[in-house]
Amino acid sequence: DAKTTQPPSMDCAEGRAANLPCNHSTISGNEYVYWYRQIHSQGPQYIIHGLKNNETNEMASLIITEDRKSSTLILPHATLRDTAVYYCIVRVAGWTGNQFYFGTGTSLTVIP
Amino acid sequence: GAVVSQHPSRVICKSGTSVKIECRSLDFQATTMFWYRQFPKQSLMLMATSNEGSKATYEQGVEKDKFLINHASLTLSTLTVTSAHPEDSSFYICSAAGEPVQNTEAFFGQGTRLTVV
Repeated sequence: DAKTTQPPSMDCAEGRAANLPCNHSTISGNEYVYWYRQIHSQGPQYIIHGLKNNETNEMASLIITEDRKSSTLILPHATLRDTAVYYCIVRVAGWTGNQFYFGTGTSLTVIP
Repeated sequence: GAVVSQHPSRVICKSGTSVKIECRSLDFQATTMFWYRQFPKQSLMLMATSNEGSKATYEQGVEKDKFLINHASLTLSTLTVTSAHPEDSSFYICSAAGEPVQNTEAFFGQGTRLTVV
């Protein structure tokens, strides 16, 4: 079962930062926070994941609060190609068989 | 990132027939593969988890005799929809996770659009 809560939709102006929030108030100590996105009619694309420290890669930054009950995915300069549904997932680490359960996600629309 | 390939990308079949969908990890060994189903405007729903060489574990409410999963090698898993009916029409997506690294991500295929007529 999904253990995250995300707003159903958000808009962002092209070129501006897109900040997507996620609540995971019941997260346990051995669960990581993962972010994926799905562009229409395609398979989900991995973005980033983290445990408790903030993470950054070429696609995005992940900010996790100190109590780990929420996180924010930041797309620093949104483009039209970033329009997609973004999913925040918490998952136990330690074994590849631990499942990824998807919630309803946030539909991000980047506006020209 | 790693590449997961799904085939076919689209398939149309007649009601009552069976359809096989393949999922391959192209550049890593997938110890675990996951199969999802997605209806229009809905999220991905996990159907089953399979580990190479063992029987798949199905989520509650998913009929194991209807959705046959085979994970015979570290690079290939197949999903067979048996005796398909129009209500089985959906977007089917596989994902694969590699060696048992503690926090490995899973990589997804491009999906298969199944239409049963």
